[in-house]
Amino acid sequence: DSGVTQTPKHLITATGQRVTLRCSPRSGDLSVYWYQQSLDQGLQFLIQYYNGEERAKGNILERFSAQQFPDLHSELNLSSLELGDSALYFCASTPSGDHEQYFGPGTRLTVT
Amino acid sequence: AQTVTQSQPEMSVQEAETVTLSCTYDTSESDYYLFWYKQPPSRQMILVIRQEAYKQQNATENRFSVNFQKAAKSFSLKISDSQLGDAAMYFCAYRSKGAGGKLIFGQGTELSVKP
Repeated sequence: DSGVTQTPKHLITATGQRVTLRCSPRSGDLSVYWYQQSLDQGLQFLIQYYNGEERAKGNILERFSAQQFPDLHSELNLSSLELGDSALYFCASTPSGDHEQYFGPGTRLTVT
Repeated sequence: AQTVTQSQPEMSVQEAETVTLSCTYDTSESDYYLFWYKQPPSRQMILVIRQEAYKQQNATENRFSVNFQKAAKSFSLKISDSQLGDAAMYFCAYRSKGAGGKLIFGQGTELSVKP
């Protein structure tokens, strides 16, 4: 158990819908990263937040957005969902400075 | 931009034997981190081993060790005395030092362990 929690574990929804994925980092970790793992694209970095502020952006679609709240949990919002958005979405956290990232168990999103 | 390449989509090893997974990367940076992550069927991403580029000594964690060749930009993972529980997808990953520090992953190598 990495100490990072993600909810829900599984999510099945229809095209065009909007979903919210939630991540709670390890206690004391200020930085949260979101990654997408799909068969087509492999593991890709989406976005990073540090202590409530956006720090870095990767290959994140405009239909996707994220935020980090004062209690440091983070949410990834996916809207106008397409079949190709079906993937495993990971959250990872790390304390400040150069530390390894600890991954949550992931949320498996299926868009039908 | 940095890239990570794993040229072996699948590997197989006999239980108790040794196997080496290959990884190459491309970067213009001089200081960075390299990692191997394991993803078993549960899909959990588990950190196996970490190497800091400025350290010449190869990292070791129990049965797992790396061969880090900075000039060749090569970072292979050696698994000794392979166990059935080692069967998983293995990802090589690169991370720049400093603020940000997103992980850049290779395509992965699926390792099977034969009893």
